[in-house]
Amino acid sequence: DIQMTQSPSTLSASVGDRVTITCRASQSIFWLAWYQQKPGKAPNLLIDKASSLQSGVPSRFSGSGSGTEFTLTITSLQPDDFASYYCHQYNSMPFTFGQGTKLEMK
Amino acid sequence: QVHLVESGGGVVQPGGSLRLSCAASGFTFSNFGMHWVRQAPGKGLEWVGLIRHDGTNKYYGSSVKGRFTISRDNSMNTLYLQMDSLGAEDTAVYYCARARGDSTDYWGQGTLVTVSS
Repeated sequence: DIQMTQSPSTLSASVGDRVTITCRASQSIFWLAWYQQKPGKAPNLLIDKASSLQSGVPSRFSGSGSGTEFTLTITSLQPDDFASYYCHQYNSMPFTFGQGTKLEMK
Repeated sequence: QVHLVESGGGVVQPGGSLRLSCAASGFTFSNFGMHWVRQAPGKGLEWVGLIRHDGTNKYYGSSVKGRFTISRDNSMNTLYLQMDSLGAEDTAVYYCARARGDSTDYWGQGTLVTVSS
């Protein structure tokens, strides 16, 4: 199985900050997605194909990377952005998720 | 609009079985693959499996392979997850999600499965 390792596990930030979450794959992949999840809710797809922003997702979210290292960047954090974030490789079966990053208000 | 509703969750004893359902509406169900994803209480997301649009190909996560079976009834617009030999580690909220390519787009709100004696 491809292991997906996210860092950091927890991130403390303030409204207006720029933050970056990293996801490393145990082998080279092409297909990667990022999800946002709020407590008690289903995950919401933000980005797929590593950098393709989904319709309706604010442009302050962006994804980049290739091979084994990928990043999710949020510029100018808004109050609604404090949530958990997961990367997801759908390159090779079985598909796998990163362990998640909890973005907390400082 | 796309709507996915999971049902069938509940409390089951260790070693027992349970079948979850996911009722789909608002799109042509037979045109889309479907995923199951689960989340243990306070933990991260775990991919359970995927069934192709016509049911011919199914794929499973390593921790459930051989114990769980995904199926679908395209005439009823319903996805299923048969779970056998359940253990405490299977306690989780189970989500169904529509496949877009091999990624996902729409998700249900989940159904809770608790494995406990």
